[in-house]
Amino acid sequence: GAVVSQHPSWVICKSGTSVKIECRSLDFQATTMFWYRQFPKQSLMLMATSNEGSKATYEQGVEKDKFLINHASLTLSTLTVTSAHPEDSSFYICSARRGVRETDTQYFGPGTRLTVL
Amino acid sequence: AQSVAQPEDQVNVAEGNPLTVKCTYSVSGNPYLFWYVQYPNRGLQFLLKYITGDNLVKGSYGFEAEFNKSQTSFHLKKPSALVSDSALYFCAVSRLGSARQLTFGSGTQLTVLP
Repeated sequence: GAVVSQHPSWVICKSGTSVKIECRSLDFQATTMFWYRQFPKQSLMLMATSNEGSKATYEQGVEKDKFLINHASLTLSTLTVTSAHPEDSSFYICSARRGVRETDTQYFGPGTRLTVL
Repeated sequence: AQSVAQPEDQVNVAEGNPLTVKCTYSVSGNPYLFWYVQYPNRGLQFLLKYITGDNLVKGSYGFEAEFNKSQTSFHLKKPSALVSDSALYFCAVSRLGSARQLTFGSGTQLTVLP
């Protein structure tokens, strides 16, 4: 149990286009999902916290108009990178917390490699 | 604010030998501590967590970690390393009232030599 999927696993796009990444909890419901960004050989940086049925909470320095997050259901959150630029190229990882307690474990998706040309 | 330090970027160990990956933390209040492992181009896999109770926590794949409050440490250990344990390991901390956020360490690359 506790499987999280992401789609696509990798995507290449042209500068100026928008890209949508899906994060799904396959065998549990997740009230809260998280979106992270990881640069090569670096740690994960939290971008935003996604709550089902409400607006996402963005970390300081993350542009909410550029990184649109929609948590439409208890099993799906999407991240849309709008007007992508080469500096947005990165590894994007989502996680879903199984349970509503703060001590509940976050389970991570396999990540999406975004390359913007 | 909460923070995690993984003082070693790289740890090398021979197969069959015990391994230790170090982690220290800083947080106000009681910490919740986690270890995750990441294989190349993959997401993170949960290994174990400490919430409360016994200081020695046993997790997946034979890993364990010991919570030491006085030293604010949560080192990951395994009695006998396997080549397949080679991966990037992340320690993370959260705390009550932190909006359920995890703060990750910088990661430690573990290489187990055959």
